[in-house]
Amino acid sequence: DTGVSQDPRHKITKRGQNVTFRCDPISEHNRLYWYRQTLGQGPEFLTYFQNEAQLEKSRLLSDRFSAERPKGSFSTLEIQRTEQGDSAMYLCASSLGSDRRDEQFFGPGTRLTVL
Amino acid sequence: DAKTTQPNSMESNEEEPVHLPCNHSTISGTDYIHWYRQLPSQGPEYVIHGLTSNVNNRMASLAIAEDRKSSTLILHRATLRDAAVYYCILRDWQGAQKLVFGQGTRLTINP
Repeated sequence: DTGVSQDPRHKITKRGQNVTFRCDPISEHNRLYWYRQTLGQGPEFLTYFQNEAQLEKSRLLSDRFSAERPKGSFSTLEIQRTEQGDSAMYLCASSLGSDRRDEQFFGPGTRLTVL
Repeated sequence: DAKTTQPNSMESNEEEPVHLPCNHSTISGTDYIHWYRQLPSQGPEYVIHGLTSNVNNRMASLAIAEDRKSSTLILHRATLRDAAVYYCILRDWQGAQKLVFGQGTRLTINP
């Protein structure tokens, strides 16, 4: 399979716990994005990597959130001390960045429920 | 980021054409118009994009107004599998690489 994969697909946690999500982009894609989507809303941008460099972070990404992309391959998104408001679908996307279309390919998402 | 305005929902019948409108009156000269769609329980997927001229691909056509302040995504023969939320997005190639999604248009296809 050559698509973007995300793990886990579902995560239920208790308030105050830490969670970590993983995204594996399409192998030759150097750009990787994280978005968050709540029910009935469009996805909201969280952060963007070019290779291993994190180039942009949204104000939505509070200090409880951290994202990494070691060696410019897979990426992880960690949320510390989860809150009920963190419940959402977390989407990862990757792109080649080689032309003006710069099509972003999205993974299936990780659905987080904070109890 | 430049804003787009789309109807919240639209409905059409199977095998009929669908025209999905988008207003973007504050579009700048370097903004490309992108369309993505999100099928139920899936991540968004790219549909089409354009700058000034009308564009066609295997999925859809994009008609762009001469003043670029509006555009229309055209599905020539809708199928049940086209039922999705369609997002019209302005993207400045010179600027940020992120996609800024609005609420989109929820398209329902009746059999």
